[in-house]
Amino acid sequence: QVTLKESGPVLVKPTETLTLTCTVSGFSLSNARMGVSWIRQPPGKALEWLAHIFSNDEKSYSTSLKSRLTISKDTSKSQVVLTMTNMDPVDTATYYCARIDDSSGYYRLDYWGQGTLVTVSS
Amino acid sequence: DIQMTQSPSSVSASVGDRVTITCRASQGISSWLAWYQQKPGKAPKLLIYAASSLQSGVPSRFSGSGSGTDFTLTISSLQPEDFATYYCQQANSFPVTFGGGTKVEIK
Repeated sequence: QVTLKESGPVLVKPTETLTLTCTVSGFSLSNARMGVSWIRQPPGKALEWLAHIFSNDEKSYSTSLKSRLTISKDTSKSQVVLTMTNMDPVDTATYYCARIDDSSGYYRLDYWGQGTLVTVSS
Repeated sequence: DIQMTQSPSSVSASVGDRVTITCRASQGISSWLAWYQQKPGKAPKLLIYAASSLQSGVPSRFSGSGSGTDFTLTISSLQPEDFATYYCQQANSFPVTFGGGTKVEIK
């Protein structure tokens, strides 16, 4: 059974750095052609893709947020970590992690975590 | 970045109706398109990948078509549990991008 769970602070102050952890089970972060993506959703708004990391450590970032984001993984702990620097109130959102399955040759986000709401406020 | 534009932004429909949602990419993406359904307070759920492949466990009333720049998601006979917001997503090239969403509401 594949599961993903996000964890991290519910409240951060402006200018602080946000660190979110996605803990996965039911698959390995070393599985070929699999990875984890981070997506966020401000209240009442659309989904926004942030970053991903594959089993071979290939990474990609949102163009608009690239300078603020870092994604990494610890395969032994089954965790993927996303850091976002210089947080602002506009970064208030529910943050999701999702599994990437590229084994069919097509990138798909087939399992999602429940999401974690992060509020940025002083 | 590839921009994904969905239309309409919302649609009102009745149970049993056929509903079609479109997604247009700002440049050709072959068949690298997925569709997701999201209900309020829940994580998105994968419905369709590779433009027309039905994800395991998804009812067959959902179907996807298209390639290149124009894609559609069709719900052949709308059921009560289908009232939700639907998003398209491209992965032809990185960064991955999502459409703005289409909300399917009860008429």
